Amino acid sequence: GQNIDQPTEMTATEGAIVQINCTYQTSGFNGLFWYQQHAGEAPTFLSYNVLDGLEEKGRFSSFLSRSKGYSYLLLKELQMKDSASYLCAVTKSNYQLIWGAGTKLIIKP
Amino acid sequence: DSGVTQTPKHLITATGQRVTLRCSPRSGDLSVYWYQQSLDQGLQFLIQYYNGEERAKGNILERFSAQQFPDLHSELNLSSLELGDSALYFCASSFPGLAQNTGELFFGEGSRLTVL
Repeated sequence: GQNIDQPTEMTATEGAIVQINCTYQTSGFNGLFWYQQHAGEAPTFLSYNVLDGLEEKGRFSSFLSRSKGYSYLLLKELQMKDSASYLCAVTKSNYQLIWGAGTKLIIKP
Repeated sequence: DSGVTQTPKHLITATGQRVTLRCSPRSGDLSVYWYQQSLDQGLQFLIQYYNGEERAKGNILERFSAQQFPDLHSELNLSSLELGDSALYFCASSFPGLAQNTGELFFGEGSRLTVL
């Protein structure tokens, strides 16, 4: 079957670092997306990983290991506005996109 | 602004009624996706169109239907509405990338449907 797992909820402190993990079991893997979604708003694109390794983009970095079926999103210097849900999604070679249920990140002062 | 336009933004209706949600994709995007998101739930994929043709179907109820028109805008029709259909309905568009990749999805702001 096809499965994407993310923690349901995480809590972190303003100014700290948090890592949100995503594991997947799919066939025909092409790449992995991370999206951010604030409550009641549309998801917005954060990153896309195709090759193994770390992609850094400002305070956000995303890592992929294709052999392990594993990705993480690393958020540094957390700000209150980073409180949101973070969605992991796998794109397959047949144009399908499989979404995880999302991780709700709560930032505390 | 993602470039994807959805109307209406809010809709309140009664059980048993029928509504139509409209989506205009980003200029140049060929694929349109419809998603349902109930309160505090993840995105539930409903259906995908590519250049006017249905490409993939998710957990879309038989009471729901959709189509993509020659000008690439799309409509999602929801009929015999039930209380449980209350949700945020997102449309997203993309220009498919290489290797049959979906490409990055750009989401509209959503249509919030409340069924009373």
